[in-house]
Formats: sequence, C-alpha cells, structure tokens
Amino acid sequence: AQKITQTQPGMFVQEKEAVTLDCTYDTSDPSYGLFWYKQPSSGEMIFLIYQGSYDQQNATEGRYSLNFQKARKSANLVISASQLGDSAMYFCAMRFVYSGAGSYQLTFGKGTKLSVIP
Amino acid sequence: KAGVTQTPRYLIKTRGQQVTLSCSPISGHRSVSWYQQTPGQGLQFLFEYFSETQRNKGNFPGRFSGRQFSNSRSEMNVSTLELGDSALYLCASSSTGAGHGYTFGSGTRLTVV
Repeated sequence: AQKITQTQPGMFVQEKEAVTLDCTYDTSDPSYGLFWYKQPSSGEMIFLIYQGSYDQQNATEGRYSLNFQKARKSANLVISASQLGDSAMYFCAMRFVYSGAGSYQLTFGKGTKLSVIP
Repeated sequence: KAGVTQTPRYLIKTRGQQVTLSCSPISGHRSVSWYQQTPGQGLQFLFEYFSETQRNKGNFPGRFSGRQFSNSRSEMNVSTLELGDSALYLCASSSTGAGHGYTFGSGTRLTVV
C-alpha cells in the first residue's frame, strides 16, 4: 500500500530564511509521482512542484525545490527566502496507478503547518 | 483560462438529509477526482471519473456516490448524512489523470448538524 509520512505537524521560519519540510513515502511500485501542494486557510490546494520517480534531477520551481532521495524514499520540499504569504498547510502527495482500471489517485500525507515570522 | 469551479462553497445540512456537490473541471480536462478532508482523517480519496465512467473508488460507504456528465462536469452525492460527513470536499481535474497536471478547486465546506 502507498503511504506518505510528514513528521512535522508545525514549523516556524523567519522571513527571508530557507525552510525544509520533510516527506517520506513507501511504495513497491517503481513508477510514481510525487507532489507538493500548499493549502492556505481559504482551502484551495495549490500545486507547487512535481517529481517523477524516473527523473534524474531534482525538480525546481522558482523558490521551491524538491530534494529527492530515491533510495531513502524521501522527497523534502525546500522553500528559499520565505515570505509571509508562505504561511499555510503544506501537503506531500504521491500518485500511483490503480492498475485494475488505469485510474490514478493521490495519496496525501497529514500535512505540515508552516508559519513565517516577520 | 477558468479554473476548477466547485459549488456551493459552503453548505449546512441536517443529519439524515442528502446533499449534492458540483464540480466543473478545466475546459478539456476529462478526469475528475473527489477528495474528503477532515481534521481527523486528513485527505482521503473518494472516487475518480474519466469520460463519464467511474474508474476507481476509495474506501467509503455506499452513501457516497458520484457521476460525470458528457461535458465532464461531475457531481457527488451523499445520502443520509451523518455528523462525521462534515468536511471540506475537494475536486481535482486533469486531462487524463496521468502526468502532474492536477488542478484543485476551492472546495465545498459541508457542515452536518
């Protein structure tokens, strides 16, 4: 079964500093995708970054980068130069294929609440 | 282009009633997935529809059902509401379900009293 673990329920970071949010996953499937989403208090899930299991390089999207360590099954999100607007819940998710019907679903971790301090 | 639209945004229902939530995906997207988010259980997969067919369903009771129309709009229905059904219901659309192009709506916050 697929499982995503986020061990940090809450994190604080000073504005303009970098922060790392941890995510480990468990799967026996060699083909999978890893996502990070941001959820502000409004509720909408905002896509941040994606890493495919066969991607050789770590994904980057602006101030977001994904530290992908396949052997350790970890996919940590690094946010550089934190801003006050980064305060939100952050979810790590894995997509796998439900091979029976060619369906895809996302499995989410419990999330990390990030608070950026001025 | 327009994003994923979920209606209504907020809903209050009484235990025992039924409710229908709507999701309009991004134009051209044929896959719509639904997720339930609660403080206790987190985000859980409900079901996925692709071209009007349910391809997969999560571990939820039969009171939870859904459908997808020919224009890819999707509805989910919960019958005989229970207090524990209070949650944020999120829908996500993508072109096929593969790749990484999932776009979520803002959700419908359902409160059962």
